[in-house]
Amino acid sequence: GENVEQHPSTLSVQEGDSAVIKCTYSDSASNYFPWYKQELGKGPQLIIDIRSNVGEKKDQRIAVTLNKTAKHFSLHITETQPEDSAVYFCAAGANDYKLSFGAGTTVTVRA
Amino acid sequence: DTGVSQDPRHKITKRGQNVTFRCDPISEHNRLYWYRQTLGQGPEFLTYFQNEAQLEKSRLLSDRFSAERPKGSFSTLEIQRTEQGDSAMYLCASSLGLGFRNTEAFFGQGTRLTVV
Repeated sequence: GENVEQHPSTLSVQEGDSAVIKCTYSDSASNYFPWYKQELGKGPQLIIDIRSNVGEKKDQRIAVTLNKTAKHFSLHITETQPEDSAVYFCAAGANDYKLSFGAGTTVTVRA
Repeated sequence: DTGVSQDPRHKITKRGQNVTFRCDPISEHNRLYWYRQTLGQGPEFLTYFQNEAQLEKSRLLSDRFSAERPKGSFSTLEIQRTEQGDSAMYLCASSLGLGFRNTEAFFGQGTRLTVV
């Protein structure tokens, strides 16, 4: 099955700086890569996703890059704000249904 | 209501008791998923429905677990003879499911189960 590894497990950044989270996956059949943000006591919220037919996608302060050859993808958050503090999960899925998640990155934005 | 709804939000039960959780997916979403999330980990896939058909069950889903989705609308997840190891957040998600293409999955708030 698919194995997704996520780094770092914790990330502390100064407000206004950028945050980068990296993930690798093992199954070359995976072609869908969403990112979720989870706040304490809540369910994961989809923030951005990318499919294997594109290398980069941007939505305001959030961007995701994908390198299919190396089997890794990254989340970039620019101009971080205190409300960006949360746990972020990467995930990978193939042309079916289920997602395999990374272990999560706890992001803390220092004011 | 435009989101996935789960009930209850929290459940405390004694070991050995049965519990049942409910999930109402986003209207017109034909795919419904159950995931389990333990502290400090990402969600783990448990099972999945395409309309009313349960198409796959993870090895994590022992025979004490059963899920249903009658009429392809809401779903229930029942755990019989609960064990302390069942303590976790149970998450439901739904997606549109266009053919074989993986589409965006939206999660509910989850049900936090504590077995004492």
